[in-house]
Amino acid sequence: RKEVEQDPGPFNVPEGATVAFNCTYSNSASQSFFWYRQDCRKEPKLLMSVYSSGNEDGRFTAQLNRASQYISLLIRDSKLSDSATYLCVVRSGGFKTIFGAGTRLFVKA
Amino acid sequence: NAGVTQTPKFQVLKTGQSMTLQCAQDMNHEYMSWYRQDPGMGLRLIHYSVGAGITDQGEVPNGYNVSRSTTEDFPLRLLSAAPSQTSVYFCASNPAGTGLFYGYTFGSGTRLTVV
Repeated sequence: RKEVEQDPGPFNVPEGATVAFNCTYSNSASQSFFWYRQDCRKEPKLLMSVYSSGNEDGRFTAQLNRASQYISLLIRDSKLSDSATYLCVVRSGGFKTIFGAGTRLFVKA
Repeated sequence: NAGVTQTPKFQVLKTGQSMTLQCAQDMNHEYMSWYRQDPGMGLRLIHYSVGAGITDQGEVPNGYNVSRSTTEDFPLRLLSAAPSQTSVYFCASNPAGTGLFYGYTFGSGTRLTVV
């Protein structure tokens, strides 16, 4: 079993749709959680950290469920520019960072 | 404000050749690392460093060497290139200490093909 698992997609949604991605992790000692965005043939860029109480940044909402060991990312009112691969990232102590393989999103006009 | 700079952007090597991928950051980050990204897989850690003179192995270190003589630079050396090392390589940095809750800053990547 992979330490961090994501649905690879692709998710194909129309502009304006709401889309949600989930990510599960296996290490219960994980301490910090992130979502990154990666455009085609580009480097990953930090989208947002994920806090236990849940957090929101504009159209993006991230949530963490430690009991079930999953994190989620909700994108509201999808834009064409949201088309990308979204990486779930989980960190534990000692600089151990595990990247999920990513979920591809295509937003269509 | 350059951030993390990687060179070269593209490279083709023949099997058995050696080369060095360069990585430099200007943010005074203590932590630097090298990842490789292959299709269908998450980024995998090759080597990392928590400061000048300190390096350690990651998940997939075989065939690669690193050194950290300055805070700014963290080169990755391929000792004898193999086709299995065909990949996209990313350098990343992070302020260590409080770094556990900070995201990484990535360089733009090096696309390496070994023939």
